[in-house]
Amino acid sequence: LAKTTQPISMDSYEGQEVNITCSHNNIATNDYITWYQQFPSQGPRFIIQGYKTKVTNEVASLFIPADRKSSTLSLPRVSLSDTAVYYCLVGGANAGNNRKLIWGLGTSLAVNP
Amino acid sequence: DVKVTQSSRYLVKRTGEKVFLECVQDMDHENMFWYRQDPGLGLRLIYFSYDVKMKEKGDIPEGYSVSREKKERFSLILESASTNQTSMYLCASSLWDRSNSPLHFGNGTRLTVT
Repeated sequence: LAKTTQPISMDSYEGQEVNITCSHNNIATNDYITWYQQFPSQGPRFIIQGYKTKVTNEVASLFIPADRKSSTLSLPRVSLSDTAVYYCLVGGANAGNNRKLIWGLGTSLAVNP
Repeated sequence: DVKVTQSSRYLVKRTGEKVFLECVQDMDHENMFWYRQDPGLGLRLIYFSYDVKMKEKGDIPEGYSVSREKKERFSLILESASTNQTSMYLCASSLWDRSNSPLHFGNGTRLTVT
């Protein structure tokens, strides 16, 4: 069973690039890696997802090495509004309809002026 | 845009009460989930449903039950609320036909049991 591990907290400054790494040593062949962002008093919101190599969208990039045992969420030029908790999620469909999704405990990112 | 609506943002209940948390999604998603979120423990799955009247236990189902009579609605029931069920409860939905379909969350219900 995959287990996801990520740093508890990180600090940054406005305009910097922030990289948050998630470790998932036991990732299964059919598992995807997904990152979510959560603000206080809101539910988590999808940011980006990947299976291997690199994925980029308008808000972030996701780097996944060939062995897929880790992944790195990259936030370019962060602003104060990026202060949030970021969750790494590993999982996918197993046999039947059971979706086994393994969440990290979240990384609390503080962006300072 | 997918919308997942949880009926209450805040609830205060007494120990022993039966509590109903309601969740509705408007995108015809097959999968629906109930999580609880506690500081330092992250998101823990209580129950999962992949179709009407179908349910599967998650990691912490004890003390909870669920009901899914209609595709768009997934209810979490605390049969006899206890103080250790004070938490943030999050409902989510997703498509089932793709293993990588993202979850869409509601804004949560913060339940306090006194």
